[in-house]
Amino acid sequence: DAGITQSPRHKVTETGTPVTLRCHQTENHRYMYWYRQDPGHGLRLIHYSYGVKDTDKGEVSDGYSVSRSKTEDFLLTLESATSSQTSVYFCAISPSGLSYEQYFGPGTRLTVT
Amino acid sequence: QKEVEQNSGPLSVPEGAIASLNCTYSDRVSQSFFWYRQYSGKSPELIMSIYSNGDKEDGRFTAQLNKASQYVSLLIRDSQPSDSATYLCAVNRGGSNYKLTFGKGTLLTVNP
Repeated sequence: DAGITQSPRHKVTETGTPVTLRCHQTENHRYMYWYRQDPGHGLRLIHYSYGVKDTDKGEVSDGYSVSRSKTEDFLLTLESATSSQTSVYFCAISPSGLSYEQYFGPGTRLTVT
Repeated sequence: QKEVEQNSGPLSVPEGAIASLNCTYSDRVSQSFFWYRQYSGKSPELIMSIYSNGDKEDGRFTAQLNKASQYVSLLIRDSQPSDSATYLCAVNRGGSNYKLTFGKGTLLTVNP
């Protein structure tokens, strides 16, 4: 258990509504990541953070924004949800250092109707 | 586009056999390699990390790395039904790059 929680764990929302997913960690790790996982595509990086207020885009960042105002929290926002954003979203952390290992939270299943 | 390739499977092995999972990667400068296990409906769990050419053993698991061939594998000895899961290979370029590139995973089924 890497001390990572995600909320909500499940959410159903309608097309066009804003949605925010929260990732919370208790270990003060510097690096945090948001992935989505879809059948046939595997895990794909949406955005990541390398410190408070320091974020960068991953390979599938269109339609998503992130914020990190505190070390422990990394928020993923879908400004206007679309059906193509129906997915399972995982947050991950990487402890500081040179191991590059990542540890995942339990995931959020998001359905956009 | 830097890629990580895995056979999607399913790979089916009898209980007690050796399961062999393979992964190739396209980025020659990759430095760190990881195997994750993911049970259905759960999050990925890190089970092995390997950074140098050769073998690394941890219990029933052995990771093998050949950087010249851009190939990494995971062997599971004495496979158990509880090993049935999707196994994800992930690769990192090293240096200041803290991102991982994942393969799509191989589904392993161990039959009692």
